[in-house]
Parts: sequence; structure tokens; C-alpha cells
Amino acid sequence: AQSVTQLDSQVPVFEEAPVELRCNYSSSVSVYLFWYVQYPNQGLQLLLKYLSGSTLVKGINGFEAEFNKSQTSFHLRKPSVHISDTAEYFCAVSENAGGTSYGKLTFGQGTILTVHP
Amino acid sequence: DAGVTQSPTHLIKTRGQQVTLRCSPKSGHDTVSWYQQALGQGPQFIFQYYEEEERQRGNFPDRFSGHQFPNYSSELNVNALLLGDSALYLCASSLGSTSYEQYFGPGTRLTVT
Repeated sequence: AQSVTQLDSQVPVFEEAPVELRCNYSSSVSVYLFWYVQYPNQGLQLLLKYLSGSTLVKGINGFEAEFNKSQTSFHLRKPSVHISDTAEYFCAVSENAGGTSYGKLTFGQGTILTVHP
Repeated sequence: DAGVTQSPTHLIKTRGQQVTLRCSPKSGHDTVSWYQQALGQGPQFIFQYYEEEERQRGNFPDRFSGHQFPNYSSELNVNALLLGDSALYLCASSLGSTSYEQYFGPGTRLTVT
């Protein structure tokens, strides 16, 4: 079984400042890692994913994340945030079954990012 | 290219009633997964349907059941509603039951009074 812990429930930041949203996971098997964003009253949109290879992955809207296997972390970063980045962000994992996935996503509790002008 | 659609958008039911939620997958996708997102929580996996069969199930009681039709659309049924069933129900579609690439719909907001 897997579990995901997002270390901050809320992160306030000023516009154009850098931001890091922290995510740690626990799993007895290899996993795929994801970050999703949820805007108010909307579904989830995939920001980026780590499947294999380079531990630094780039996603949409200028976000990037780094996979750290030894620390079982997958922190999300953006060097300069905009007002429009205000949303809830979810870290998720799925089991890596030898190159395929069982499809089930396990999510963290979410981090609300609020960007102030 | 039509994305994942869900209906209805909002729903209000009374305790003890039954509800059916519907999902149409993204064009070309054949697998549907359902998630429950309680207020202030992350989504929790309910079950996944592929080839009209339930392939995986999360830790949800038998009151939660589903169906997948030959056109790959899906229904989520919840019987004997409890107040705790109030949540946003999200549908996600993918190509194949082992795909990690899931696309989410906007969700159905269920309120149980």
C-alpha cells in the first residue's frame, strides 16, 4: 500500500516570489509520481509526472518537480508565481508494476496555494 | 476533442435515498475510475471499470456500486445514502486499465441532507 503526505496544508506567497510545495510518499514498491492542480469548482488537471529517467521533471505553467528516491520526496517548485496560480495542489502516486501501472491513484491531502498581489 | 464529462453537476439527496452519477470518458478512452473527494480532503479511489468489469476497488462499502456500458461510459450508484457520503465525485478516464495517464472530469457535487 502507498501513502502520500503533503507537509503544508496552506502556503501563502506574494506574486513573483518562488514557491515550493512539499510532498513525501511511502511505498513498498516502485511508484509513479504526479502533481495535479484543482481550481475552484473544477476537476483535477495534471501538472507533471515522474515515470523514470531524469529526476527533474518539468510540467505546464512553469512548474517543475524533483524526485528524490532516498528521501521519498517529490517537491513541486515554481521560480515566480502569478495570481492565476492560486489553487489547490495534490501530490499523487500509483504503483509501478514493472513498467505499467495498476491505475489507482493515491492522493495527498492537498496544499492550498494562495498568491497575493 | 471532448474531454471527460459528468452529470449532473450538483445533486441534493436525503439520507437513505439512492443516487446514480454518470460519466462519459474522453474520446478514445476505455477505462473509467471513480474517486470521492470529501471537503478539504484529497480524492480517494472508489473503483475502476475496464471491459465492463470492476477491475480494482478501494476501501468503500458495498453500498457503492458501478457499471460500465459498451460505449465505455460509466455509472456510479450509491445506496442508503449517509450524511458522510456528501462529497465531490470525480470520474477519470484512461486508455487501458494499466495506464498512468488519467484525465479527470469536473465532478458531481453530492449533498446528503
